[in-house]
Amino acid sequence: EAGVTQFPSHSVIEKGQTVTLRCDPISGHDNLYWYRRVMGKEIKFLLHFVKESKQDESGMPNNRFLAERTGGTYSTLKVQPAELEDSGVYFCASSRAGSHNEQFFGPGTRLTVL
Amino acid sequence: DAKTTQPPSMDCAEGRAANLPCNHSTISGNEYVYWYRQIHSQGPQYIIHGLKNNETNEMASLIITEDRKSSTLILPHATLRDTAVYYCIVRANFGNEKLTFGTGTRLTIIP
Repeated sequence: EAGVTQFPSHSVIEKGQTVTLRCDPISGHDNLYWYRRVMGKEIKFLLHFVKESKQDESGMPNNRFLAERTGGTYSTLKVQPAELEDSGVYFCASSRAGSHNEQFFGPGTRLTVL
Repeated sequence: DAKTTQPPSMDCAEGRAANLPCNHSTISGNEYVYWYRQIHSQGPQYIIHGLKNNETNEMASLIITEDRKSSTLILPHATLRDTAVYYCIVRANFGNEKLTFGTGTRLTIIP
């Protein structure tokens, strides 16, 4: 079974540009999560999809961030326009439906905003 | 979710048992204790979780005190590949809510 995959693995952009991160969850996993770790800080939750619906987006930092999961399969996280403080590692995780199912994490996308 | 407290770092000799403590004195009755770890440059990895009974799987054992205010993760025979940051997380038992990561314990396995 393939794990959670994320693309790209690294992205370097300039302040003001747009970047789109992609996450492909494990096949059949209804739950999809985005997290991020900015430099020197803890891993923080961004949002949670159940299929194509946003279940919890309380961690989204501001309206420069837009997450989508059309069709309930892969998800994208767009940052527009990117700011210096957006630099960090963005993780995606997925889990099966039901309670207490472990979240499987992808390897992350390292975003650097110059 | 209840807050957890972990030591910032620990060392353990290769082949010995690594015992990682976690305090969660404000845990409520419907909250579980989860452990994840993050090996350098990888995404976090699930290890184990429990409510009040001790749990064991192929990776580790979880010992939860009777009052549930603290727990210990045990890696029975630590290897160099167990060097990682270990996170103790308290999480409610409904739905599939987010994980709230703290600063964790940086465990270094010494050859």
